[in-house]
This record gives sequence, structure tokens and C-alpha cells, in this order.
Amino acid sequence: DAMVIQNPRYQVTQFGKPVTLSCSQTLNHNVMYWYQQKSSQAPKLLFHYYDKDFNNEADTPDNFQSRRPNTSFCFLDIRSPGLGDAAMYLCATSRDRWQETQYFGPGTRLLVL
Amino acid sequence: SQQGEEDPQALSIQEGENATMNCSYKTSINNLQWYRQNSGRGLVHLILIRSNEREKHSGRLRVTLDTSKKSSSLLITASRAADTASYFCATDAVSGNTGKLIFGQGTTLQVKP
Repeated sequence: DAMVIQNPRYQVTQFGKPVTLSCSQTLNHNVMYWYQQKSSQAPKLLFHYYDKDFNNEADTPDNFQSRRPNTSFCFLDIRSPGLGDAAMYLCATSRDRWQETQYFGPGTRLLVL
Repeated sequence: SQQGEEDPQALSIQEGENATMNCSYKTSINNLQWYRQNSGRGLVHLILIRSNEREKHSGRLRVTLDTSKKSSSLLITASRAADTASYFCATDAVSGNTGKLIFGQGTTLQVKP
């Protein structure tokens, strides 16, 4: 089945230790998104790729970076995680930008010690 | 600023009852979507309603949209324990031509067997 896969499902890192979360998709969608969701809150868009075009949200901290080496894969890099970065990180895809259904992966729960 | 706000924040009902959740938003939209999120999981798309539509059905789901009041409702009929989840509305903000999806805070639904 076509799907969005996120690895790992749970990630524990130390304060200040770089961490990378990965997302892959078999839907062949043009757009991939990264959201941060804290407990009992709405998902918050960090950035998205429209094909190879990277689009950062204005309020996304510089600590968060992303890479999309090909259509199928997208990575979220947190350069120096702080305690406030502990959250669920959701990857999503859509066929085209906006006005479209988004397909979400199961998420990666990040814990920062 | 937050585009969508949901009401109620939490809802608890018995199996077989109907559940109604409301979403209000602030600016003009192209479409409004509803997503479900089971605890600790990613979001699953339920239904998309376009700004020129007033009502849409999908199985036990009924969504209405009133653009004059900038509000939408999601009705789940004959609820089941498996419907227990958080439900989010998401709108694409036309202002600024970004069109990105902005999620409401969500309604947590508990369906008791």
C-alpha cells in the first residue's frame, strides 16, 4: 500500500546532541511537509518542500533544518535540541501544494534529556 | 494567528450517540478539511469541503460549511468506541496567498462502550 513512513517512531536524544528524523513516501507526491505537534496542541508547520523548492515558515527556529535528497525521502535535522523541542514530529505529503488532502505518517516522538 | 478554533475542546458520549464538533475560522478560505488523530499517531484525512459547498457526507460523517458565519461542523452519527480520537479542522488561509493549512486546536472525543 502507498504510504508515508517515519523512522524512528521514538527518538531519545540528549540536550544539544544533533538528531535526524526521516520520512519516506511511496505516493510519489510533489510536496512533503514537516509539522511539530506538542501535547494537546495543533500541528504547527515548520517547513515544506515543493519538489526541490524549500519553503521555511517565518517562525521556524534556525535550529531546525531539512533535506530532500529525492522525491521519496525527506529529513528533519535538529542541530542542537533543547528541552522545548520535545514533541511529536509529523511528516505529511500532498500531490500538489495547498488546497489538497495531506497524507500523514505515524509521527516520531522526540524526547530530549 | 490561529485560523481555526474548535468547540468543544472535549466531548464524552455513549456508544450509539451522535457527536457534533464545531470549527470557526477568521479569514476567507478555499476549502476546509477535517482530520482524525488517534492517540500518539499521525493524522488521517476524513473529508474536504470546498468553499462553494454547503454540506458533504462520507459514511457516518456529515460536514457542513457556512462561509457567511465562517464556521463548519462535523457530525459523527451512531458513534462507536473506535471513534475515540482527536478531531482537527484545517483551513487554507487565502490571505497572503500562502494557502497553507492551519489546524485548529482540536476536539478530543471519547466514546464510551
